[in-house]
Amino acid sequence: QVQLQESGPGLVKPSETLSLTCTVSGGSLSGYYWTWIRQPPGEGLDWIGYIHYTGNINYSPSLKSRVTISLDTSKNQFSLTLNSVTATDTALYYCARFDHCGGDCYSLVYWGQGTLVTVSS
Amino acid sequence: QAVLTQPSSLSASPGASASLTCTLRSGINVGAYRIYWYQQKPGSPPQYLLTYKSDSDRQQGSGVPSRFSGSKDASTNAGILLISGLQSDDEADYYCVINYSDAWVFGGGTKLTVL
Repeated sequence: QVQLQESGPGLVKPSETLSLTCTVSGGSLSGYYWTWIRQPPGEGLDWIGYIHYTGNINYSPSLKSRVTISLDTSKNQFSLTLNSVTATDTALYYCARFDHCGGDCYSLVYWGQGTLVTVSS
Repeated sequence: QAVLTQPSSLSASPGASASLTCTLRSGINVGAYRIYWYQQKPGSPPQYLLTYKSDSDRQQGSGVPSRFSGSKDASTNAGILLISGLQSDDEADYYCVINYSDAWVFGGGTKLTVL
């Protein structure tokens, strides 16, 4: 069974960099798109970006200037960095895997439990 | 105007049906998009329910009961998640998602109350 686990600091100061890692167990990074999604407290879901195991990357237009997603196949991990954070970046950050469900269908079946990151001085 | 608009809340009675709508912004034709639906309960990550593009192009998530189904209403430019035979366990937040210009866009979510 595939499992994803987010890890990283729970508190980041304004203007600094948020860095999170998603460790994948029970399966390989190969063959899949991997993504980060966040959810501010009490609010809805917000897609951050995805990376394919081949290195193909795409980011949310609203975050593109500040975000980087990368893979470490040797550790079976992928990571998120978000620069110049503000209080509005406070959120529960999820990592997830896109599963191909036929044709142009890609569903998010496997999710981590999420990690809360608070931006505060 | 948001790409996807969902009513913030909906209430329905046990055993009844609930129709959750996801309206695409004017100029974005619902017929062209695959709409995904996710359910999220408090303290848990979202769970994939199903996707609907057309009657001949739909997928149900693994283990998702058939009382969850998708459709579209071209007249209102909306995707619809229909939940029949409502149970108390269906009380949750529901999100629609599309891939728009190679970006994944979530609706704001609908909080479904079963009472």
